[in-house]
Amino acid sequence: QLQLQESGPGLVKPSETLSLTCTVSGDSISSNTYFWGWIRQPPGKGLEWVGSIYYSGRTNYNPSLKSRVTISLDTSKNQFSLQLSSLAAADTAVYYCAARALGAGAPLSPWGQGILVTVSS
Amino acid sequence: DIQLTQSPSFLSASVGDRVTITCRASQGISSYLAWYQQKPGKAPKLLIYTASTLQSGVPSRFSGSGSGTEFTLTVSSLQPEDFATYYCQQLSSSPLTFGGGTKVQIK
Repeated sequence: QLQLQESGPGLVKPSETLSLTCTVSGDSISSNTYFWGWIRQPPGKGLEWVGSIYYSGRTNYNPSLKSRVTISLDTSKNQFSLQLSSLAAADTAVYYCAARALGAGAPLSPWGQGILVTVSS
Repeated sequence: DIQLTQSPSFLSASVGDRVTITCRASQGISSYLAWYQQKPGKAPKLLIYTASTLQSGVPSRFSGSGSGTEFTLTVSSLQPEDFATYYCQQLSSSPLTFGGGTKVQIK
């Protein structure tokens, strides 16, 4: 059974870079089975897709964040990571990682439990 | 970007009610739409994908329909555990986008 778990700091300072990790169990991130992605949700607000990565390393980012986002794979640890630079208070959110199977219209499932990241000095 | 407009934003209903939520896309997305349920403090849970396919383990009182630009999620008989926020998401083109959500509250 595929499972995902986010980890990282809960508090980061403005202008710094956020680094989050998603640990995958139940399948290898090196398999050509899934896209691996990040989604965020500011407190009390809706969901925003951040971006995704394929086993080949090919990435796809939300244009609204593209200049600040990097998603990468660590196949040795079966993890993928999110880096978001130049943080501002508006980046305060719960960050989720999720898997998306290959295939037209495939949804995001499963999701990790999420991690709250607060941007504050 | 493809915009998704959900209506209503809030809905008050009683246990046993039939509830329908609508999601309209700003351009055609074929059947590439998913519905998620989110409870406070929890991650979204997949209910339906490709507009009408019920995710394994999801009760059959949930159903989805539509194609192109208009989609609906229906709960045939609302149960206490169904009070939550529901989101639609389009998976037709990048960037993937979500609707603004519909909060279903107890009347």
